[in-house]
Amino acid sequence: DTGVSQNPRHKITKRGQNVTFRCDPISEHNRLYWYRQTLGQGPEFLTYFQNEAQLEKSRLLSDRFSAERPKGSFSTLEIQRTEQGDSAMYLCASSFTGTSGGYTFGSGTRLTVV
Amino acid sequence: AQKVTQAQTEISVVEKEDVTLDCVYETRDTTYYLFWYKQPPSGELVFLIRRNSFDEQNEISGRYSWNFQKSTSSFNFTITASQVVDSAVYFCALRSNYGGSQGNLIFGKGTKLSVKP
Repeated sequence: DTGVSQNPRHKITKRGQNVTFRCDPISEHNRLYWYRQTLGQGPEFLTYFQNEAQLEKSRLLSDRFSAERPKGSFSTLEIQRTEQGDSAMYLCASSFTGTSGGYTFGSGTRLTVV
Repeated sequence: AQKVTQAQTEISVVEKEDVTLDCVYETRDTTYYLFWYKQPPSGELVFLIRRNSFDEQNEISGRYSWNFQKSTSSFNFTITASQVVDSAVYFCALRSNYGGSQGNLIFGKGTKLSVKP
């Protein structure tokens, strides 16, 4: 394993279009998290999965956002009808329950809505 | 409420100087975890340390050291003899089970450290 992988690295889309991002976590990790980071701010929690179950969602996750982790491995984050305010870096992280370490983050997907 | 405050927005030092990054947290939970992450210009968050609320021992790892004080709700990070490669944004983060949350890392706004040669 080389870490958490996110695709694409960059995405430019027109307002109103739908976009989907993919995250491949470290294979042994059963937990997967999505965060959003805007310029000059710390990452903000969106949602997390334990295996395939989505256990927690932030109020930041509006109805236009949906996340899945169908087989408990990779995850997708979809944003429907994108708005300019959705422009941000979307970060994925993974961890193993009970780990004494931290979450391992991917390099992120930078979304620009024009 | 749960909150992490990093009052220093930007710090600039000259190489070989020591620098301390401040972190103050708020939580009503008695069991919680504190983290420091480094975000270099490449953008990837790099895990540095995790500390649980029951362990107030200070920790040293090479040029890095951390000072955890529950009495002042602080978890400060010191870099000794800073180097240009230390230039990055550093985030302090908190995780607790307060309110049923088990996955939510709450980050501060970060401190941008610039180390000049």
